[in-house]
Amino acid sequence: AQKVTQAQTEISVVEKEDVTLDCVYETRDTTYYLFWYKQPPSGELVFLIRRNSFDEQNEISGRYSWNFQKSTSSFNFTITASQVVDSAVYFCALGMEYGNKLVFGAGTILRVKS
Amino acid sequence: DTEVTQTPKHLVMGMTNKKSLKCEQHMGHRAMYWYKQKAKKPPELMFVYSYEKLSINESVPSRFSPECPNSSLLNLHLHALQPEDSALYLCASSQFREVNTEAFFGQGTRLTVV
Repeated sequence: AQKVTQAQTEISVVEKEDVTLDCVYETRDTTYYLFWYKQPPSGELVFLIRRNSFDEQNEISGRYSWNFQKSTSSFNFTITASQVVDSAVYFCALGMEYGNKLVFGAGTILRVKS
Repeated sequence: DTEVTQTPKHLVMGMTNKKSLKCEQHMGHRAMYWYKQKAKKPPELMFVYSYEKLSINESVPSRFSPECPNSSLLNLHLHALQPEDSALYLCASSQFREVNTEAFFGQGTRLTVV
């Protein structure tokens, strides 16, 4: 069975601090996909990144970076120099090779205070 | 155009009412989805349409009836709902169903059943 665990329910930081959101996943499949989505108060889920299981390269996009480690089944997300606009719920999700059903983690509420 | 548009944004309906939620995308995506999201919970998949045919129904009660009139439109018909059906209903689309690609989400319809 597939499972995604986001152990941090809520994180509060002060603007300009760095923050890391943890994501641990479980699957027996060798081919799978990992995603991060951001859900601001307006409601829509905003796609941030997709990573397949064969690509363990870390990725950086502006202030965002992702660390994928298959050895620990983790796909952590770091925001550098956080801003108030980063305040949102962040979901990590796992998808299988076939079909497009995403298994979401419970989400982490990030509050960035000015 | 990378938008998924959902209407209405908010809906209040009585338990005897019939209403419909609408979703539209013009990205040429051939897979469309309905998700239900309760407060402080992750989205839960309800239905998947692939090439305008229903391919996944996650054991959703029959009071929810999806419809895909064409490749750009997805409807969710609601009838005889219960107060516990109050939630954010999210529509999403992705390029294909068979290959796991990122899904684009709409802003959702916030439904309240009274």
